[in-house]
Amino acid sequence: GAVVSQHPSWVICKSGTSVKIECRSLDFQATTMFWYRQFPKQSLMLMATSNEGSKATYEQGVEKDKFLINHASLTLSTLTVTSAHPEDSSFYICSASSLAGLRSYEQYFGPGTRLTVT
Amino acid sequence: AQTVTQSQPEMSVQEAETVTLSCTYDTSENNYYLFWYKQPPSRQMILVIRQEAYKQQNATENRFSVNFQKAAKSFSLKISDSQLGDTAMYFCAFRFSGGYQKVTFGTGTKLQVIP
Repeated sequence: GAVVSQHPSWVICKSGTSVKIECRSLDFQATTMFWYRQFPKQSLMLMATSNEGSKATYEQGVEKDKFLINHASLTLSTLTVTSAHPEDSSFYICSASSLAGLRSYEQYFGPGTRLTVT
Repeated sequence: AQTVTQSQPEMSVQEAETVTLSCTYDTSENNYYLFWYKQPPSRQMILVIRQEAYKQQNATENRFSVNFQKAAKSFSLKISDSQLGDTAMYFCAFRFSGGYQKVTFGTGTKLQVIP
C-alpha cells in the first residue's frame, strides 16, 4: 500500500514552453501533497504544500506564478512549470500524505520527474 | 526553524561490515519524528527507519538501527552486515508531529559499499 506515482518520469522541453508534472496517490486518498526539488548531488528542498481543494502554500523564494500547483482531487496534484528556462532543469519529487488508514500524516514519496530544459 | 546536519558527505564500508552515519538536528520543540531515507541511483526515496521523539527505545528495522540521543539532538544510523544494495545516498530528516508537516532533510551522506 501507499504507492505514489509521477508522470512523466523524464521530460525534455524547449525554453519558454510550459510543462506539467502529475503526482498520483494510487491506493489511498491524499489530503495533502508536497512538492520538492532536488538539484544534482544535493538534498531535497520543499517548494510547496498543496491541500485538496485549496490554494498551495509556497515556501519562501519559490515563485508561485512560475510553479503552478493544482490539487484538484484527493488522488492527483499537478505541478506546472511555466515558461521554463534551463535553470529550471532539476529533479522534482512529490510526496503524498493522508490522515486515515495509513500512518497518519506520513509522507509517501513518488519516484520523481527529471526535467531538462534546452 | 529546525535544521538537520549531516557532517559526512561520503563514506565507504566493506561488504558485511558495519557502518554508522551521523546526524544532528536542532529544534526547540518536543514532539517530532526523525527519519532516515535511502535514495539509490534510481532516485526513489525509500524510508529506512522512523523514530518518534517521545519513545526512548531506539528503532530497529532488520539490519538498520538508530542511536537516538534526544538531549544531544543526535540521530545516527547503524547499518550492520552491509550489502552492495545498501550503496545509496542517505538522508536524515525531521518532521514535527501533529498534522500535515513538511519534512526537512539533511544534506545527505553518500554511502559506497565495497565488495
